[in-house]
Amino acid sequence: EPEVTQTPSHQVTQMGQEVILRCVPISNHLYFYWYRQILGQKVEFLVSFYNNEISEKSEIFDDQFSVERPDGSNFTLKIRSTKLEDSAMYFCASSEGARSQAGYTFGSGTRLTVV
Amino acid sequence: DAKTTQPNSMESNEEEPVHLPCNHSTISGTDYIHWYRQLPSQGPEYVIHGLTSNVNNRMASLAIAEDRKSSTLILHRATLRDAAVYYCILRDYNNDMRFGAGTRLTVKP
Repeated sequence: EPEVTQTPSHQVTQMGQEVILRCVPISNHLYFYWYRQILGQKVEFLVSFYNNEISEKSEIFDDQFSVERPDGSNFTLKIRSTKLEDSAMYFCASSEGARSQAGYTFGSGTRLTVV
Repeated sequence: DAKTTQPNSMESNEEEPVHLPCNHSTISGTDYIHWYRQLPSQGPEYVIHGLTSNVNNRMASLAIAEDRKSSTLILHRATLRDAAVYYCILRDYNNDMRFGAGTRLTVKP
C-alpha cells in the first residue's frame, strides 16, 4: 500500500536554529498537508498546499513557518527560528483530487525536540 | 466549522463489536462525516467516511442517522490492535481536516 514517508523520525535542535522536516507524499496525490501534535494534545492543522501554493493555513502557521515542494517528490516544512514550544510531533499528509472527500494518508511523523 | 461531540473514552472486550458514537447536531447539508483513528505513536489513519447512507469497508462500518445529526462507527470484532483514539470529523468541500479530542478506545483481552 502506498505510504507517506517522513524524515527524520526524530530531530533534536537548539532553540533559535532552523529546521527542515521532509516528507515524500504519495506520488499521484495533489494535496499536501502539515499537522502537529504537542505531547498529550490534539492533532492541529498547520497548512495545506496545492498547485505549488498554500491553500489554507491556521493561526499557528505564522511567519516562522514555510512550506515548499522543491522537486516533484518532496514536500518540506521549514521552521526558521525554533522555540521551545515548537517541540511536537509533526505529521505530513497527502490526498488525491482537488477538495475531494478522499481520505488523507498520514506519515508516521517527525518528533521535533527543541532544547 | 460544524462541531462533533464524542465520549472521551470507551472500553470494549476483544472479539466483541464496538459502537463508537458521534453527535453532530449542527451538521450542514454539504458536510461529510469522516472517521480517523490514531494508534499509539503513529500518525492518524483514515477509517471511513460517508454523507447520508451507511457505509462499509474492510476496516469498519459507518451508520448515519436519518436526520444526520449523529453517526456511529462500528468495529465488528475488536482486536487489541484497534486500541486507539478515534476521531469523528465533519468536513465540507471548503475546509481541510480538523481534529478534535476524539474517543480513546481501550480493548481488553
